[in-house]
Amino acid sequence: GAVVSQHPSRVICKSGTSVKIECRSLDFQATTMFWYRQFPKQSLMLMATSNEGSKATYEQGVEKDKFLINHASLTLSTLTVTSAHPEDSSFYICSAIETGETINQPQHFGDGTRLSIL
Amino acid sequence: KQEVTQIPAALSVPEGENLVLNCSFTDSAIYNLQWFRQDPGKGLTSLLLIQSSQREQTSGRLNASLDKSSGRSTLYIAASQPGDSATYLCAVRPLYNFNKFYFGSGTKLNVKP
Repeated sequence: GAVVSQHPSRVICKSGTSVKIECRSLDFQATTMFWYRQFPKQSLMLMATSNEGSKATYEQGVEKDKFLINHASLTLSTLTVTSAHPEDSSFYICSAIETGETINQPQHFGDGTRLSIL
Repeated sequence: KQEVTQIPAALSVPEGENLVLNCSFTDSAIYNLQWFRQDPGKGLTSLLLIQSSQREQTSGRLNASLDKSSGRSTLYIAASQPGDSATYLCAVRPLYNFNKFYFGSGTKLNVKP
């Protein structure tokens, strides 16, 4: 089956640190990847759509200078939380859809990254 | 704007019971609906995807149905097991913005041994 690997699984760091999270599709190519944020006991909130070779599309209210997304290859997207502060602490999850006929392809999710800013 | 609702928010059943989880959505203009499972502190595992032209999909003990016109989907779990305990989420993919998925808030299922 399609596997998405997300690293690191957990990050604890001081306020002001920038944190990079990687999302890799291991056995398929993904032109499009998605970054979500999930608060405790709540559903997923889409932050941005990552497109290989072009700029990411950010959802309303998500600061693109705060959450930098790079999708440099068909198997890797990165999310960098710049100058992270305690309010950025959350569970971040990526997903990917296999390149090709994408409309009815399922999303495949990584295992998430728990980010804790002290 | 599409809204996805899952009821109940939590469900506790004894092992062996058959159960139904519900998902409703307000806008029937969708490409598909997908059911996921999420274990605590983990990402989402895809269970079933139903295309808008389909009525149901089956995988093992799981059966998902879709009634697009009424904006409803159900996930049926047969002969539930303690290992089925998790949060189950549904998500729809809208026709007008196919790169934006709308998720329900999930049903937390506890299957008691």
